[in-house]
Amino acid sequence: EPEVTQTPSHQVTQMGQEVILRCVPISNHLYFYWYRQILGQKVEFLVSFYNNEISEKSEIFDDQFSVERPDGSNFTLKIRSTKLEDSAMYFCASSETTGSGTEAFFGQGTRLTVV
Amino acid sequence: AQSVTQLDSHVSVSEGTPVLLRCNYSSSYSPSLFWYVQHPNKGLQLLLKYTSAATLVKGINGFEAEFKKSETSFHLTKPSAHMSDAAEYFCVVSDPNTGFQKLVFGTGTRLLVSP
Repeated sequence: EPEVTQTPSHQVTQMGQEVILRCVPISNHLYFYWYRQILGQKVEFLVSFYNNEISEKSEIFDDQFSVERPDGSNFTLKIRSTKLEDSAMYFCASSETTGSGTEAFFGQGTRLTVV
Repeated sequence: AQSVTQLDSHVSVSEGTPVLLRCNYSSSYSPSLFWYVQHPNKGLQLLLKYTSAATLVKGINGFEAEFKKSETSFHLTKPSAHMSDAAEYFCVVSDPNTGFQKLVFGTGTRLLVSP
């Protein structure tokens, strides 16, 4: 069964460092997303991406964040200068179509710890 | 704005007894509603979804949910719990305003199943 894969599963980084979280969406999907879950809090939408550009972003997704689809298979989230409060589980997702009712397929997540 | 409220942070049941995980939603539009499950170290997996067709929705692993507009509820049930059902469950609503998939998550309910 096709699945979304994320690497690494766990990343520890020092405050102020740049991190890149990687995702391989399902191959025929066209829409890509990042969500995050700070420990003990809700899963929150960060950004959606379609046709090589951001479709929508939340207020969390400030200038420190960027997304890219560098080739035909990977989808990355970059945090330019990490802060302690960026520590969270980051989920990548993809979907074949869009709109209400579309099923998004999620990866297993990358746990980011900023020290 | 869309939102969901999961009324219980933890639910404990014995194996073989019924499961009820409660969810209430708030929406200005006809919502799409989902239940996702997260097992330890795994991604978020879709259990079932409601998209304005039948109000009683059947999902995987014997779970089902009933959309009740009058009560703004979408509770998840299973007649008989299995040990493998122990996981975190998320009630999720899709925001139709965006035209792209933007999921709004509840806080989650941890289901504990004892022998």
